[in-house]
Amino acid sequence: EPEVTQTPSHQVTQMGQEVILRCVPISNHLYFYWYRQILGQKVEFLVSFYNNEISEKSEIFDDQFSVERPDGSNFTLKIRSTKLEDSAMYFCASHIGLAATDTQYFGPGTRLTVL
Amino acid sequence: QKEVEQNSGPLSVPEGAIASLNCTYSDRGSQSFFWYRQYSGKSPELIMSIYSNGDKEDGRFTAQLNKASQYVSLLIRDSQPSDSATYLCAVNRTNNDMRFGAGTRLTVKP
Repeated sequence: EPEVTQTPSHQVTQMGQEVILRCVPISNHLYFYWYRQILGQKVEFLVSFYNNEISEKSEIFDDQFSVERPDGSNFTLKIRSTKLEDSAMYFCASHIGLAATDTQYFGPGTRLTVL
Repeated sequence: QKEVEQNSGPLSVPEGAIASLNCTYSDRGSQSFFWYRQYSGKSPELIMSIYSNGDKEDGRFTAQLNKASQYVSLLIRDSQPSDSATYLCAVNRTNNDMRFGAGTRLTVKP
C-alpha cells in the first residue's frame, strides 16, 4: 500500500541553524501539507501546497519557514534559523485532492530537536 | 473560541465496554470530519471519516455527525486494551487546511 515517507526520522540541530525536512508524498496525490506537534500538545496545521504553490498557511508559518517541491517526488519544509521552540514532531501529509472530503494520509514524522 | 474542542480526558473504560468520544467545532462551513488515533510518538492514523449528518459504522467504530449542533462523536464498541491511545478529532474546512482538536486520551483497562 502506498505511504507517505519522511526523512530523517530524527534531526538534532543547534539554535540558529537551518534545517530541511523531507517528505515523499503518495505518488498520485495533489495536495501536500506540513503539520507540527510540540510534545504533549495538539497537531497544528502549518501549510498546504497545491500546484506548486502555497494554498494556505497558518499564523505559525512565518518568514522563517518555506516549502518547496524541488522535483516530482519530494516535498520539503525549510526552517531558516531554528529556535528552541521549533523543537517538535513535524508531520507531512498528502491527499489525492479531488474533494475536501478526501482523507489526508500522514507520514511517520520527523522529530526535530533544537539545542 | 477554539476551532475544534475535545475533552482531554483521560477517559478510562473497562475492556469490553463502549467508549464515547466527543468533539465540537466552530466553523459552520466545515465539510468533512475525521477521527484519527495516535499512539505516543507516532503519527495520526485514520480511524473514521464522516461527511453527512447521521451515523456511519465501520466494524467496532461508529461516527456520528450533527452539523446543526456542530458536534461529532466516535463510539468504540467492545473496547480492547489495544484501543488505548489518544483520539484526535479533525475538521476539514476546505481542501487547504485541516484543524485538529487537542485529543482525548483513552485507556482501556483489562
